[in-house]
Amino acid sequence: DQQVKQNSPSLSVQEGRISILNCDYTNSMFDYFLWYKKYPAEGPTFLISISSIKDKNEDGRFTVFLNKSAKHLSLHIVPSQPGDSAVYFCAASDSNGGSQGNLIFGKGTKLSVKP
Amino acid sequence: EPEVTQTPSHQVTQMGQEVILRCVPISNHLYFYWYRQILGQKVEFLVSFYNNEISEKSEIFDDQFSVERPDGSNFTLKIRSTKLEDSAMYFCASKGLAGGFYNEQFFGPGTRLTVL
Repeated sequence: DQQVKQNSPSLSVQEGRISILNCDYTNSMFDYFLWYKKYPAEGPTFLISISSIKDKNEDGRFTVFLNKSAKHLSLHIVPSQPGDSAVYFCAASDSNGGSQGNLIFGKGTKLSVKP
Repeated sequence: EPEVTQTPSHQVTQMGQEVILRCVPISNHLYFYWYRQILGQKVEFLVSFYNNEISEKSEIFDDQFSVERPDGSNFTLKIRSTKLEDSAMYFCASKGLAGGFYNEQFFGPGTRLTVL
C-alpha cells in the first residue's frame, strides 16, 4: 500500500535548467509534506517542507508546490546544479490522532544534473 | 552545526544474534525516531519515541525490536534475534519542539546492518 508515490525513478537535467520532481499521495489526512535529498552512504537531508494550509513554499532555488485537490506535490529546482545530483525523497505526515509526525516516504527519484 | 550521529556505521552479525544500534540525537531535541531502508526500497518508519516512551510503531516493529533512551544523550535500537530480512540501513532521526508538529526531522548517517 503506497501512500506516497514517486512514479519517476530517475530524472536527467542539463545544468542551469529546471528540475521538476513529482510526488502523489493517497491519504487525505496527510497535512505536512517534506522533501529530503540523499547522497549515497549518507542519511536523508531536509530540503524544504509545506503544510497543507499553503500551496507554495519557496527557499532559494527550491520551491515546493502543493495541489491538495489532486493530492500532488512537486519540487522545482531552478537553476539546477551538478551538486544537486542525488536521490530526492518526498515524505508526508499526519498531525491528527496525536501523531508525533512519523514520516511516510516515497521510493525516491534519482536526479542527475549534467554539466 | 548540530547533527545526529550513529554508531557503528556498519554492523555484521550472524542470524539469531542480538544487535544494538546507537544514536546520539541533537541535544535539545525531544522527539526521536528509527527508520530503515532495505536495499533498493523506500525508507520505512519503525518507531517514534517521546517523553521516555514509544509514541507510535509500525507493523515492522514487532516484539523482536525495542528502543531505549538509557541516558540523556543516547537513543538505542535493539534487535533481539536478528533475521536475514533485518539486513538494511537503519536511520535515526530527531526533531525539536520549536514549530510544533510542523517541524523537520534531522537524520543521522545510518548504520548498515548485514545479517549473515
